[in-house]
Order: sequence, then structure tokens, then C-alpha cells
Amino acid sequence: EVQLVQSGAEVKKPGESVRISCKTSGYSFTTYWISWMRQMPGKGLEWMGRIDPSDSYTNYSPSFQGHVTISAGKSISTAYLQWSSLKASDTAMYYCARHRTDTAMLPYYLDYWGQGTLVTVSS
Amino acid sequence: DIVMTQSPDSLAVSLGERATINCKSSQSVLYSSNNKNYLTWYQQKPGQPPKLLIYWASTRESGVPDRFSGSGSGTDFTLTISSLQAEDVAVYYCQQYYTTPYTFGQGTKLEIK
Repeated sequence: EVQLVQSGAEVKKPGESVRISCKTSGYSFTTYWISWMRQMPGKGLEWMGRIDPSDSYTNYSPSFQGHVTISAGKSISTAYLQWSSLKASDTAMYYCARHRTDTAMLPYYLDYWGQGTLVTVSS
Repeated sequence: DIVMTQSPDSLAVSLGERATINCKSSQSVLYSSNNKNYLTWYQQKPGQPPKLLIYWASTRESGVPDRFSGSGSGTDFTLTISSLQAEDVAVYYCQQYYTTPYTFGQGTKLEIK
């Protein structure tokens, strides 16, 4: 069974750093790209960026480029999203999701999602 | 960026009636080399992550009830629920995966009338 299990809620102060995780199981981690999405309170979904776990190639939405870092740990089948300096406006639910791919490993739509990690940034 | 615009923003439909949600993209998401529309529909219930319903604009994900269907091509797409059930109350999003940055519609909130 494919599962993406995210780390627990975080409460941080502005300027602090944090790394949240997305542990996968039930499939070959390096075969499927992973994306991260933000959902601010009461709002819609925004795509932040994606990673190819086979070589850690990443690309980011311009809206998030330079503010977050996406990485992956192949040995433990886990993807990460991290901030070095949080802002209050980063308060949101964050989701990881797996891309369904074809035989050429090109990423397509998001088929399995994590349960979400709530990050709260407040002084 | 490709802008995805859904209509309406909210919708109230009686149980057993048809619900229709529209999604328009600012540019075509039809890839000519394979004649596929790079468009998905997701359902999000309160307190839950989104759930994949439809991909390639009209292919139903395994396990999704057949009352859900997707149609359209190019820039105009529709999600139809043929006979609304109580468990279909949710927010529905369309999303294009034609190019990055991937973009979502603003969501349509579906309620029971």
C-alpha cells in the first residue's frame, strides 16, 4: 500500500528554521517525483516545487524559489521541505504528494497525498 | 504561469441532482504530441488532504464512483457529478500539469441544497 506520512505540527517564531518530512512507503521511492503544496488557512492549493528523488533534481515555483528548500533522503525514502527563516505569512498546512509517472519517469498528476503538516509561525 | 479559473465559486445542489463545475485555463493544456489534456480534478473534504478524482481530463481514478465524470479539451473543462450524494460535499479543484509552475483553480465549494 502506498503511503506518505508527514511529520507533526510545528509552532515556530519568526526568523526560526524548520524542516518537515514526508516518509514514503509501499513503492520505489526513486521512481516517482514528489511535490510540495501550501494551503493557507481557508484558502486554495498552491504548488511550491518538486523533486526527483533519484538524483535530487528540483524545480520551484517562482513564488517560493529562494524561500524554501526541497530535498530527499533516498536511504530512508523521505522527502523534506525546509525554511531557514520563517515569516508569519508561512503559517499554513503543507502537503507532500507523489507524481504518477510514465515509463520514462516523467512526472504527471498527483496520485497519493500525505495527511498534511500544519506550520504555525507566531511571535 | 497558466491561470486556472473555476466557476462557480460555490454551488448548492439537491441530493440526487446533477452538479457541474467548470474550469478554464488561460492557455491550452492539450499536448499535441500525445493528444492528452494535462488536467486533473481533486476533491478535498474538511480536515483531509485532496483526493485524486479525474486525470487526463476524463479518466476516472480507480475506486472513484462512476457518478463522477470529467470532460473538455484545450482550455475548457467540466467536472460533473451525475447524482449528488451527501458524501460529495467538499471543495473541488482543477489543476494543470502541462507545465511548471503547476497551478490550481481557486476551488468550488459544493453543498447540499
